[in-house]
Amino acid sequence: DAKTTQPPSMDCAEGRAANLPCNHSTISGNEYVYWYRQIHSQGPQYIIHGLKNNETNEMASLIITEDRKSSTLILPHATLRDTAVYYCIVRVVTGKLIFGQGTTLQVKP
Amino acid sequence: GAVVSQHPSRVICKSGTSVKIECRSLDFQATTMFWYRQFPKKSLMLMATSNEGSKATYEQGVEKDKFLINHASLTLSTLTVTSAHPEDSSFYICSAESGLAGFTDTQYFGPGTRLTVL
Repeated sequence: DAKTTQPPSMDCAEGRAANLPCNHSTISGNEYVYWYRQIHSQGPQYIIHGLKNNETNEMASLIITEDRKSSTLILPHATLRDTAVYYCIVRVVTGKLIFGQGTTLQVKP
Repeated sequence: GAVVSQHPSRVICKSGTSVKIECRSLDFQATTMFWYRQFPKKSLMLMATSNEGSKATYEQGVEKDKFLINHASLTLSTLTVTSAHPEDSSFYICSAESGLAGFTDTQYFGPGTRLTVL
């Protein structure tokens, strides 16, 4: 199963863009990259996913490198409510999501 | 957006009793549902995958006789923790996907159930 590597923690100033990196060097051609976040004591919230093209929705943007070995989640204007653990996951063909340790993003005023 | 609910949100039970947790997809039909558990300050760990109308597939190390999963309809899956013990205390989270989009299908998660076994 493709694994992901993320920094354990990051800080971001409120109102600034938060850029969360993820490495997935063993990703296969038909495996998608998914991003979720989990606020304390809640279920994970879906953010965005992509295959090879950059994606944008109302929550975030996802930039995937051309070789697909890494990606970056961008929260364009972070707020205090964006403080959470962010998980980058490669969805395997069976549909399983294998969660790593994620990145704890702390947005500071 | 897709909404998944869980009931109850919290449950406290005595050691040796069984506890049932429900997971419902409220606005879509879920051909596949997943059950996870999460210990404090740890990541989610997949326990099992259930498909509507068939037996669940359990991850290695998860006791299927202890964690009974039933996915009787396209909107409901249940997890029963049988003969619960204090070490079963955890945060149990379900997720659901429609199964219509193949590789690009998205799992939507419930809010979780906090189980405490005394």
